[in-house]
Amino acid sequence: DVKVTQSSRYLVKRTGEKVFLECVQDMDHENMFWYRQDPGLGLRLIYFSYDVKMKEKGDIPEGYSVSREKKERFSLILESASTNQTSMYLCASSFGTGGRAGSPLHFGNGTRLTVT
Amino acid sequence: GENVEQHPSTLSVQEGDSAVIKCTYSDSASNYFPWYKQELGKRPQLIIDIRSNVGEKKDQRIAVTLNKTAKHFSLHITETQPEDSAVYFCAAIPSGNTPLVFGKGTRLSVIA
Repeated sequence: DVKVTQSSRYLVKRTGEKVFLECVQDMDHENMFWYRQDPGLGLRLIYFSYDVKMKEKGDIPEGYSVSREKKERFSLILESASTNQTSMYLCASSFGTGGRAGSPLHFGNGTRLTVT
Repeated sequence: GENVEQHPSTLSVQEGDSAVIKCTYSDSASNYFPWYKQELGKRPQLIIDIRSNVGEKKDQRIAVTLNKTAKHFSLHITETQPEDSAVYFCAAIPSGNTPLVFGKGTRLSVIA
């Protein structure tokens, strides 16, 4: 069974802090994704990566960056946390080169981040 | 780019009744349509998916139908049970090398 592990379930940070959200998958998946989930807005894609050291902007990349130094690990970075980044963050991975059709996403349990 | 609309946003049904959730998509080249279920406090999990070369797929009490001409697909749950209560997301994968695009979700409540 695919396991996608997010390092923290709950996180509280102060405005202006640099925040790292870590995600590790154990199935040798090429593709990894970071989503943000807010009530009424569904799942919005922040960044994704189809290979090591590769990254692409999703729909809402502003205020975020990512790092993928190893295939199994995909980190989301909030350079200077703001209150409007308070949200649930979900990491996901999938098999297949280039993230193309027919490759189901496997999600982590999520990190609920509160920025005060 | 691809746009996925999902309706209704909330749905309440009596236990044992059927539930239907509908989604429309904009990119006619989209070719993969998964459905995810997210129970309260848990991660979204794939429950069923359909590809563009198939019109219908069933798995026990759940089924998905796809109408490529009209660019819509639907999730059908029969004989609903309280454990079906969750948020359901539809998604579509557009053409080319782009990730899944999700609908905004439907909160289904099954009333015992």
